[in-house]
Amino acid sequence: SAVISQKPSRDICQRGTSLTIQCQVDSQVTMMFWYRQQPGQSLTLIATANQGSEATYESGFVIDKFPISRPNLTFSTLTVSNMSPEDSSIYLCSVGSNSGRAGEQYFGPGTRLTVT
Amino acid sequence: DAKTTQPPSMDCAEGRAANLPCNHSTISGNEYVYWYRQIHSQGPQYIIHGLKNNETNEMASLIITEDRKSSTLILPHATLRDTAVYYCIVRRHYGGSQGNLIFGKGTKLSVKP
Repeated sequence: SAVISQKPSRDICQRGTSLTIQCQVDSQVTMMFWYRQQPGQSLTLIATANQGSEATYESGFVIDKFPISRPNLTFSTLTVSNMSPEDSSIYLCSVGSNSGRAGEQYFGPGTRLTVT
Repeated sequence: DAKTTQPPSMDCAEGRAANLPCNHSTISGNEYVYWYRQIHSQGPQYIIHGLKNNETNEMASLIITEDRKSSTLILPHATLRDTAVYYCIVRRHYGGSQGNLIFGKGTKLSVKP
């Protein structure tokens, strides 16, 4: 399994500002994913990030609000733009298993974001 | 991907087996059952998966009924560190939208001393 780190681990931000979250993996992986977990809720996939191509966003999430970069096979960033209190959530990155099994993913510890 | 139904919460005494059920009556032939857990303030952790045979690893055992419409995750000797929300997810093994693990509400397992 991959070891995944995220920065920052938590942040408190003012509305209208943007925050970039970093996700670093200890090995090369093809697919990386970004999820959101709103307070008291389960996880929701934001987008899939493949190296060298545009991220694929799920319904309800748009690139202008959540731009993603994937410059290489071990790193990705998610930016939460023009934040509002409704963006207060835990943001998690995950990576797919190199075995290709679609349901097997490994998650980072998450970034806890509070927007005031 | 098929929908799953889990009890919202369960209690288990420390040292006893924890048996967590999951219903997936609409599962199709090419879908696997995956289990994850999320300990408080951590990211989800992959536990185990299976298709139709029972599976066991160092963390847990997975029992899938013959008709594949339900399964049970078994933690053989629960410890306080197993207190977490457990998610049962059904999806295809390969292909499709790989990232789209559909997390339901899961079962909150509380292991008590």
